[in-house]
Amino acid sequence: RKEVEQDPGPFNVPEGATVAFNCTYSNSASQSFFWYRQDCRKEPKLLMSVYSSGNEDGRFTAQLNRASQYISLLIRDSKLSDSATYLCVVNMPTSGSARQLTFGSGTQLTVLP
Amino acid sequence: EADIYQTPRYLVIGTGKKITLECSQTMGHDKMYWYQQDPGMELHLIHYSYGVNSTEKGDLSSESTVSRIRTEHFPLTLESARPSHTSQYLCASSGRLAYEQFFGPGTRLTVL
Repeated sequence: RKEVEQDPGPFNVPEGATVAFNCTYSNSASQSFFWYRQDCRKEPKLLMSVYSSGNEDGRFTAQLNRASQYISLLIRDSKLSDSATYLCVVNMPTSGSARQLTFGSGTQLTVLP
Repeated sequence: EADIYQTPRYLVIGTGKKITLECSQTMGHDKMYWYQQDPGMELHLIHYSYGVNSTEKGDLSSESTVSRIRTEHFPLTLESARPSHTSQYLCASSGRLAYEQFFGPGTRLTVL
């Protein structure tokens, strides 16, 4: 089983749609959670951190369920520019490497005009 | 924008050559990382460093080596490049108090 698992995708949605991505992680001791965005042939960039109480940044809402070890990202009113691969990222505390991040394989989103 | 730089951005080289991929950051971050990513595939950590003179191998076995003589500089070296090394190499860094990693633009390596 992968340490961080994401929806397989790809997601093809019309402009203006609401789309949700899900992610599960295996290490219950994980403390920090993020969503990164990676455009085609570019480097990953932080989209938002995920806080225990859930958090929102404009059209983006992230939620964390520690009991189920589950993270979600909701995008409302999707734009063409939202087309990218969305990476679920979790820190996996291990001996001597408390600040390593584990990246999911990503979910590809294409927003269609 | 993150202040982390990688050179070269693209490199096409023949089998057997020695190459060094450069990575520098001006944020004063103590932690630096190298990832390998094939097109459409996930990131794999191949090396990391928690500070000067500290280097560790990552989750994915790699024939490359790294060094950390200065805080801001974390070069990756392949002594003898092979076609199987063809990939994108991404460098990242993070600060003392945060898990968030900032990525450089990557080096796309092709070994013929």
